[in-house]
Amino acid sequence: AQKITQTQPGMFVQEKEAVTLDCTYDTSDPSYGLFWYKQPSSGEMIFLIYQGSYDQQNATEGRYSLNFQKARKSANLVISASQLGDSAMYFCAMRDPVGGYSSASKIIFGSGTRLSIRP
Amino acid sequence: SQTIHQWPATLVQPVGSPLSLECTVEGTSNPNLYWYRQAAGRGLQLLFYSVGIGQISSEVPQNLSASRPQDRQFILSSKKLLLSDSGFYLCAWSLGQIEQYFGPGTRLTVT
Repeated sequence: AQKITQTQPGMFVQEKEAVTLDCTYDTSDPSYGLFWYKQPSSGEMIFLIYQGSYDQQNATEGRYSLNFQKARKSANLVISASQLGDSAMYFCAMRDPVGGYSSASKIIFGSGTRLSIRP
Repeated sequence: SQTIHQWPATLVQPVGSPLSLECTVEGTSNPNLYWYRQAAGRGLQLLFYSVGIGQISSEVPQNLSASRPQDRQFILSSKKLLLSDSGFYLCAWSLGQIEQYFGPGTRLTVT
């Protein structure tokens, strides 16, 4: 069964510093996808970045980049030049196809890391 | 552009009362639709998903049910709420296996 592990329940970072949020995963599927989502206090779940297992390069989206180390089964999120608005819960997640339907998949979430940015 | 709506935003219901949460998606056709629940301080757990009208699959046995009466409408229901049904309910849509886009959520408190 697929599993996502986030070992940092909470982190405090000074504004403008870079931050790395850790994520390790476990799967026996050769093809898989990894996500990071941000959940601010309002509760909405915001998609940040996606990495496919066969992607040759690490995914990047603006200030977000994914440090994908396949052999170590890790997919850490790096946020460069952190901002006060980055304070939120961050979830690492993995795509898991469901029920034999080729078009549907569920997302398995880790327990999350609460990131707090200090001014 | 696509948007996803959920209502109500918050709900307080007594144990044993019925429940109906609604989710609608605009700006896309034949999306996959999902209901997730998030317990306090935890990640999300998939409850139901649907790949088309009238097609519902359940991931976790529970006190809840789901229906998809229209292409872009997904409803989560219960005949009798339990205390353990309290949580944050998120609806999501996708057009494949990559990103899922989430609605604003409904915070349900069962008293």
